[in-house]
Amino acid sequence: QVQLVQSGAEVKNPGASVKVSCKASGYIFNNYVIHWVRQAPGQGLEWMGWVNGGNGDRKYSQNLQGRVILNRDTSASTAYMELSSLKSEDTAIYFCARVDGSGHAFFDYWGQGTLVTVSS
Amino acid sequence: QPALTQPASVSGSPGQSITISCTGTSSDVGNYNLVSWYQQHPGKAPKLMIYEGHKRPSGVSDRFSGSKSGNTASLTISGLQAEDEADYHCCSYAGDYTWVFGGGTKLTVL
Repeated sequence: QVQLVQSGAEVKNPGASVKVSCKASGYIFNNYVIHWVRQAPGQGLEWMGWVNGGNGDRKYSQNLQGRVILNRDTSASTAYMELSSLKSEDTAIYFCARVDGSGHAFFDYWGQGTLVTVSS
Repeated sequence: QPALTQPASVSGSPGQSITISCTGTSSDVGNYNLVSWYQQHPGKAPKLMIYEGHKRPSGVSDRFSGSKSGNTASLTISGLQAEDEADYHCCSYAGDYTWVFGGGTKLTVL
């Protein structure tokens, strides 16, 4: 069965960086795109960007351009999201989600979420 | 500010029908038949309920349906059940390989 399993909760100081992983199983990693979506406390979902599991292409939200880096390791079937220069407003649950690489535009499987808390 | 506008909350009694709207622009909702809807229970990850505007994934009840008119997409839930109480999020492809979400709607089953 398809699973996306994310790394554990993180607590970071303002100005630091955080890296969250998303390990995929149950499907061919290279055939799908991994998106990242975050949810601040009590708020809606915010799209952050994507990385293509096959060719490594990526796209970022303009809101986060310059602070977020998305990568993947095909040998480990794992995608990574790194967010730098953390601010208190980055406190959120970060989700990875899968999109079919053949032109579909919906997220059919999601990771369990990773809580990132930014606090001094 | 979320790119797509949803009502903050809606409510209905068991057995009734409710509709949640999702208003975007001619650059996203109005330009593509690529709106999806997600159900999210507290402390859980979102779950895909509707994709490409009106299609249901396998396993999703046919009480859930989607539609679109102009720049506004809608999710209708008929025959409300207690288990439908959750947050609902709409999402649209917005061109140039980007996506946008709404602010989410809290559904209360009275």
